[in-house]
Amino acid sequence: EVQLVESGGGLVQPGGSLRLSCAASGFTFNDHYMDWVRQAPGKGLEWVGRTKDRGRDYATEYAASVKGRFIISRDASDYSLYLQMNSLKTEDTAVYYCVAYTSGLPHWGQGTLVTVS
Amino acid sequence: DIQMTQSPSTLSASVGDRVTITCRASQSVNIWLAWYQQKPGKAPKLLIYKASSLESGVPSRFSGSGSETEFTLTISNLQPDDFATFYCQQYVTYPYTFGQGTKLEIK
Repeated sequence: EVQLVESGGGLVQPGGSLRLSCAASGFTFNDHYMDWVRQAPGKGLEWVGRTKDRGRDYATEYAASVKGRFIISRDASDYSLYLQMNSLKTEDTAVYYCVAYTSGLPHWGQGTLVTVS
Repeated sequence: DIQMTQSPSTLSASVGDRVTITCRASQSVNIWLAWYQQKPGKAPKLLIYKASSLESGVPSRFSGSGSETEFTLTISNLQPDDFATFYCQQYVTYPYTFGQGTKLEIK
């Protein structure tokens, strides 16, 4: 069973940095695409970015709203996905979800709250 | 970016009703369209993928249809557990984009 557990959220000041982690289990971590998706309080869902699989050299894609500020990476040795968030803005306040794709279908973590204030 | 527009934004219905939610894309997404259900404080749950394929374990009263730019999610015989917010998402072109959501309320 695919399991994803996010951590690292918290309160940070505007202009600050934060790194989120997502611990993955139940699938071959290196062979699957993974995304970050966020949801501001009371708002809809926003796709943040993606890291592709090992066969595609873990290439990344980003939403325009975070490109140049956020970096997605993964550590294959401990099955962890990361989201490094720099130059944070108040509008980055959201619950951040990690999403893993197996057989083309998404599996979601429970999310971690980031508050920029 | 591909814009996804859902209608209506809010929908009031009763248990046993049949409801339809529409999602329109600003350009063709072929059949690369998913539907999610989200309840307060929870992660979204996948209902439909590739426009009309039912995710395993999802009740058959949920169905999806459409292609290119127009899609629908239909829920037949509404049950109390179905009341939630629903989102469509295109996954053909980066950045992947979601609709703004449709809140399904009990009448």
